[in-house]
Amino acid sequence: EDQVTQSPEALRLQEGESSSLNCSYTVSGLRGLFWYRQDPGKGPEFLFTLYSAGEEKEKERLKATLTKKESFLHITAPKPEDSATYLCAVRERNTDKLIFGTGTRLQVFP
Amino acid sequence: DVKVTQSSRYLVKRTGEKVFLECVQDMDHENMFWYRQDPGLGLRLIYFSYDVKMKEKGDIPEGYSVSREKKERFSLILESASTNQTSMYLCASWANTEAFFGQGTRLTVV
Repeated sequence: EDQVTQSPEALRLQEGESSSLNCSYTVSGLRGLFWYRQDPGKGPEFLFTLYSAGEEKEKERLKATLTKKESFLHITAPKPEDSATYLCAVRERNTDKLIFGTGTRLQVFP
Repeated sequence: DVKVTQSSRYLVKRTGEKVFLECVQDMDHENMFWYRQDPGLGLRLIYFSYDVKMKEKGDIPEGYSVSREKKERFSLILESASTNQTSMYLCASWANTEAFFGQGTRLTVV
């Protein structure tokens, strides 16, 4: 069964304290792994798409990496405005569905 | 910018009512999706559509139906609303590399 697991469920960081979020997946044929940011009461906002092991993408303080079994979202020197829930999703090859993890809720304190 | 617009941000309906949630996208995308999001459960796929008049069941279609009469519009229908359908509903429109989400509809069934 296709599955996406994110860890940790919640993460509290001091401003400037770098860390990583994990997304591990089991899918029969990966057509892309996606990271989203979601603020409370809003729809997810697209961040990155990764397609193959070894690929990396960066945007401001965020960097996403991909291996054959997992992806990491690295947050360097986070700021309070980075506080949000970060969602990972995989696109399954045969059905084209997007399968989501349950997210990591990040809180960054000044 | 791609825009996915959901007709309502907040809705309150009574048990047994027929409820329509509307979603419109302006980028001529073929693929559209309906998810619901609940705490601890993440985003779960209700229905998706690859083209006009085409629909596929997702993981939790029970109690829901959909309509796609025009390419830009994908409607989610709750035939007889129940309290366990109280949730955040998210519509997404799919391009090759990204899925764009609407702002969400918070539905409360009383």
